[in-house]
Amino acid sequence: AQSVTQPDIHITVSEGASLELRCNYSYGATPYLFWYVQSPGQGLQLLLKYFSGDTLVQGIKGFEAEFKRSQSSFNLRKPSVHWSDAAEYFCAVGGENFNKFYFGSGTKLNVKP
Amino acid sequence: DGGITQSPKYLFRKEGQNVTLSCEQNLNHDAMYWYRQDPGQGLRLIYYSQIVNDFQKGDIAEGYSVSREKKESFPLTVTSAQKNPTAFYLCASAGQGMGYGYTFGSGTRLTVV
Repeated sequence: AQSVTQPDIHITVSEGASLELRCNYSYGATPYLFWYVQSPGQGLQLLLKYFSGDTLVQGIKGFEAEFKRSQSSFNLRKPSVHWSDAAEYFCAVGGENFNKFYFGSGTKLNVKP
Repeated sequence: DGGITQSPKYLFRKEGQNVTLSCEQNLNHDAMYWYRQDPGQGLRLIYYSQIVNDFQKGDIAEGYSVSREKKESFPLTVTSAQKNPTAFYLCASAGQGMGYGYTFGSGTRLTVV
């Protein structure tokens, strides 16, 4: 069965500190992996995606993520967090043979000044 | 600019009423999706459609109905059978090749009064 686990419901980091949000997935084929960000009351915006090639992918707003097949993980990272990064982050998995994506339950990021 | 438009942004429903949420896209995407978002539960799939005049139930279809008479439009009706309709509803679309991920609308917040 396909599923996504985001083990951290809330994370608080200080502005300027590094960030890593965890995502583990269960998928029966080569996965397409995504990270989305959601500001309160808004839709989801795509940060980055992976479906082949280099396992370290760069996205918008200075985010990156690393695909580790052996660990079934796709963790999101940012070297220096800005106050404007405070939002909720969702990991998603899907594939060419599937017609829908599966989302994790989200991680809310708070940024301390 | 291409995108997805959801309307209205806020919607209030009285007990026993049916209400319809609008979702229109001008991206020429074949597939469209409706998700429900509740705090702490991530995104749950209600219905999806891959082609005109065809749609499938998602994980929580009870109390909802959809139609797909035009490629651009995928309205969601929340019926009186949906016992707990207060939530944030997100519409999304995807083009051919799921590797591009979803494009999301900005959402409709439905409240029962």
